[in-house]
Amino acid sequence: NAGVTQTPKFQVLKTGQSMTLQCAQDMNHNSMYWYRQDPGMGLRLIYYSASEGTTDKGEVPNGYNVSRLNKREFSLRLESAAPSQTSVYFCASSGQTGNTGELFFGEGSRLTVL
Amino acid sequence: AQRVTQPEKLLSVFKGAPVELKCNYSYSGSPELFWYVQYSRQRLQLLLRHISRESIKGFTADLNKGETSFHLKKPFAQEEDSAMYYCALPIYNQGGKLIFGQGTELSVKP
Repeated sequence: NAGVTQTPKFQVLKTGQSMTLQCAQDMNHNSMYWYRQDPGMGLRLIYYSASEGTTDKGEVPNGYNVSRLNKREFSLRLESAAPSQTSVYFCASSGQTGNTGELFFGEGSRLTVL
Repeated sequence: AQRVTQPEKLLSVFKGAPVELKCNYSYSGSPELFWYVQYSRQRLQLLLRHISRESIKGFTADLNKGETSFHLKKPFAQEEDSAMYYCALPIYNQGGKLIFGQGTELSVKP
């Protein structure tokens, strides 16, 4: 049982380049999330999708776009990467029926923007 | 505004010493709170939630609504407890998203 799978695990970009982080979950969860983790800042929510077909901004959405492709997949796109987007990105999912409040996380994607 | 605060970035203790990781929250409703843990090279995972009133790996946490706190405690720290700990508040009417504190790195020295 894979749980939440993110790709790629590592990526180095130059300023201005674009890329998409992919996330898939196999737990039939309704909600999916993208967080970024920075030292001293904790985890900050970028975007979330409460259910298939909906997406909403989180705390730090600027510079990012998301797509909830289907119930399993939720991708995060950086259209024009900036050094401030150097971070570790985590995808998470929750809620099969009802919402227990527990999030299941992927292993993280470490992105460096030069 | 909904907010979770962990005032300590780093907590360093010796093996066998008591541990208390502090968490304070700001929330207008009746909160549920969680502690998540991230061990080195592992995924972030749920450690415990206040509603279940359980002890996991010797850790407990009590919700104190008067002090708006949810401190994580363990009477005798072990080296394997060294990890990053996050306090988190779920917002159910916004897709169940979690608001996290800044995190506290616990280092247990032998």
